[in-house]
Amino acid sequence: GAGVSQSPSNKVTEKGKDVELRCDPISGHTALYWYRQRLGQGLEFLIYFQGNSAPDKSGLPSDRFSAERTGESVSTLTIQRTQQEDSAVYLCASSSSYNEQFFGPGTRLTVL
Amino acid sequence: AQSVTQLGSHVSVSEGALVLLRCNYSSSVPPYLFWYVQYPNQGLQLLLKYTSAATLVKGINGFEAEFKKSETSFHLTKPSAHMSDAAEYFCAVSEGQGGKLIFGQGTELSVKP
Repeated sequence: GAGVSQSPSNKVTEKGKDVELRCDPISGHTALYWYRQRLGQGLEFLIYFQGNSAPDKSGLPSDRFSAERTGESVSTLTIQRTQQEDSAVYLCASSSSYNEQFFGPGTRLTVL
Repeated sequence: AQSVTQLGSHVSVSEGALVLLRCNYSSSVPPYLFWYVQYPNQGLQLLLKYTSAATLVKGINGFEAEFKKSETSFHLTKPSAHMSDAAEYFCAVSEGQGGKLIFGQGTELSVKP
């Protein structure tokens, strides 16, 4: 595809359920990032994958959050036992080495 | 630790007036600085970036920003606002070109006719 894609675009879930968010980066991009944007706030870094290196998980807010990436392709962000404070737009970005990050349209997560 | 402060969560200007969006950063290493724009219901788009070359950086849509190390600032300007500039603007810093971005809280720009 031409850009970063994310699915689903919207997700409504009940408190306590698990959710999976998917990101398809631009083909050939070695780096992939996840950010969270809460209503009225800036973007918070969550996790960063670069090639085969160990991911930088320093932004994950709790152990309920995890992410995986298969090679240099798709990534999945999983939130277990969702809470209302997890409601946000989750943004994925990808980049080729040392270049600008291209952002996807985001997944809007609403936890009831 | 790196951080970014954007002064003013909301800025309103008249069409044709100067746009000035303020950004101050904190970094223990030479920073890489970015401005992103987010139009309503759209994803983030890179406006411009500073990567230790020229201190005055020109971006898309007539925007530019000047890196001032002594003031730890990277303010975004545009000489003449257009209605289509109405959007949310985010300043961000990273420790390297490939590193994670630390974002400011964002500034919503409104343009009055």
